[in-house]
Amino acid sequence: EVKLVESGGALVQPGGSLRLSCVGSGFTFTTSWMRWVRQTPGKGLEWVANISPDGTDKYYVDSVKGRFTISRDNAKNSLYLQMNSLRAEDTAVYYCAGDLLYWGQGTLVTVSS
Amino acid sequence: DVVMTQSPLSLPVTLGQPASISCRSTQSLVRSDGYTSLTWFRQRPGQSPRRLIYNISKRDSGVPDRFSGSGSGTDFTLKISRVEAEDVGVYYCMQGSHWPHTFGQGTKLEIK
Repeated sequence: EVKLVESGGALVQPGGSLRLSCVGSGFTFTTSWMRWVRQTPGKGLEWVANISPDGTDKYYVDSVKGRFTISRDNAKNSLYLQMNSLRAEDTAVYYCAGDLLYWGQGTLVTVSS
Repeated sequence: DVVMTQSPLSLPVTLGQPASISCRSTQSLVRSDGYTSLTWFRQRPGQSPRRLIYNISKRDSGVPDRFSGSGSGTDFTLKISRVEAEDVGVYYCMQGSHWPHTFGQGTKLEIK
């Protein structure tokens, strides 16, 4: 059974930091392009960042460049998203996805004072 | 950025009837290598998105053959030949040909 389990979502103040984690199982994590996609409550989907299977290529949506960092540890089948300088507009459910075929259940990040 | 525009945004359909969703991009999704990355997802209430179609027209495993994808360049379509109750949800198209990857606004399919 394929599983992607995110964790790390929380309520954080503007300007704060958070690290999201995602652990995969049941598929070949080490050869998968991994992504973070977010969804604002009641709204649509927004791609946030991609990372290549070996971790060397990374891409970000402009609104998070310089603030968010995507990384992975293939030995642990794990994907991460370090989020710094958080803003109210970063409030969303964050999904990790493998090759866009496998999706986690999402973790809620709320940025509010 | 490539803007993906879906229509309609709301799609009430009678059970057993066909349904069609259009997805248009502001620039061609044909890459320099000739590949076109256009994907369709469905998100049921309270669930994560599920990929249905990739590479314009390839159905994922387990997706009923009443679902079909077509199109080229900037104009793409998802068709359901006969809508069933389990098809309700929000359908999204997504382009993966140009950075940043972008999604359509979503089309909410409901049963009349």
